[in-house]
Formats: sequence, structure tokens, C-alpha cells
Amino acid sequence: AQTVTQSQPEMSVQEAETVTLSCTYDTSESDYYLFWYKQPPSRQMILVIRQEAYKQQNATENRFSVNFQKAAKSFSLKISDSQLGDAAMYFCAYRPMYSGGGADGLTFGKGTHLIIQP
Amino acid sequence: DVKVTQSSRYLVKRTGEKVFLECVQDMDHENMFWYRQDPGLGLRLIYFSYDVKMKEKGDIPEGYSVSREKKERFSLILESASTNQTSMYLCASRPLARGDPSSYEQYFGPGTRLTVT
Repeated sequence: AQTVTQSQPEMSVQEAETVTLSCTYDTSESDYYLFWYKQPPSRQMILVIRQEAYKQQNATENRFSVNFQKAAKSFSLKISDSQLGDAAMYFCAYRPMYSGGGADGLTFGKGTHLIIQP
Repeated sequence: DVKVTQSSRYLVKRTGEKVFLECVQDMDHENMFWYRQDPGLGLRLIYFSYDVKMKEKGDIPEGYSVSREKKERFSLILESASTNQTSMYLCASRPLARGDPSSYEQYFGPGTRLTVT
């Protein structure tokens, strides 16, 4: 079974600084997807960024980028120029590209609570 | 924009009651999911459905059942609520996988915080 580990229950960063959230995963699959989701306080969870395992290039979305190390099974999220609106729970998630039934859910880590200090 | 709505943001029920949590999505998605979110445990999949009247157990189905009579609606049922089912429940949906990586993104509802006393 796949597992996703987020070793930082909580992180704190000064506004405008850069922070990196770590995520490691365990899988025997070679093709899969990795995601970072953001859950602001009392608001809906939204997708921040997605990485396809077959792509060597790290995904980037504006101030958010990932460092995907396939051999190390590591998928960290870097947030540059942190803003107060980035304060949230961040979840790393995994899904194999090919799965039986075709509709099984994502495997999530336990989350990292990101605090932005003004 | 995809919209996933859940019938209640907060719900308080008594032990032994039958509880229905409703989820509706407006994007004609084939796949729908129910997760449970607990502090320190992340999200865990309870059930999912890939078509009307079709359902599959997730990782923690015990004590729950689901119903999908219409494509847009997916209900989670607690037949006899217990205090250990006090939690945040999140519904999600996504389209049928088409080989396009974006089709694997799940869209989440706002969640229902259920308290069983």
C-alpha cells in the first residue's frame, strides 16, 4: 500500500520569506501523480500544484514550485514571497496513474499547518 | 468553476441516530468521494462511487454506507452514529479519467463538521 509522509506538523515563516514543506511517499509504482492541496481555515480545499511522475521538470505555479526527486521519493513544496493568504493546512497527496476500478481516491499525508508571521 | 456543495457545515447528532450527509456537484463528474478528516491523521477515504448506483469501499468504510441515485448527488449514511464518528467529512468529485493529468484533480466541498454526543 502507498503511504505519504509529511514530517512537519507545523511550519512558521515570516511574510515575504520562502518556506519549503516536505513530503515523502512510498510506492512500488513507476507512474503516478503527486499533488499539493491547500486548506485555508474554514474554507474549501483547493489544488495548489500537480506533478506527473514521468515528467522530469519540476512543476511551477506562480510563487509555488516543487522539488520532485523520483529516486528519493520526495516531493517538497516551495512557497516564495510568502503572503498572509498562504496560511493554511497543506496536504501532499498521491495517486497511481493506473489503478483498479479507475476511481479510487487520493492517498493523503497528515498535513502541515503553515503559519505566516506578519 | 466546479462547485461541490454539502448540505450542512455543522451538524450535531446523538449517539444511535441515523445521519445523512449530502453532497452535490454541478460539473457532471462521474466520480465522487467521501473522506474523513481528523487532526493528525489527514484525510482518509471512506467510500467512492464511479457511476450512479455504483460504489466501492475505501480505507475506512466500517460504520458507513453510501447512496448514489443520481449522478450529481452522493450521500454518506451513518446507520447508527457513534461518538468516534465525530469528525470533519469532506466530499469530492472528479471527472472520468481520460489520460489527461488534469482529470485526476479532485474538487472538494466545504466540509461538514459532525459532532456526535
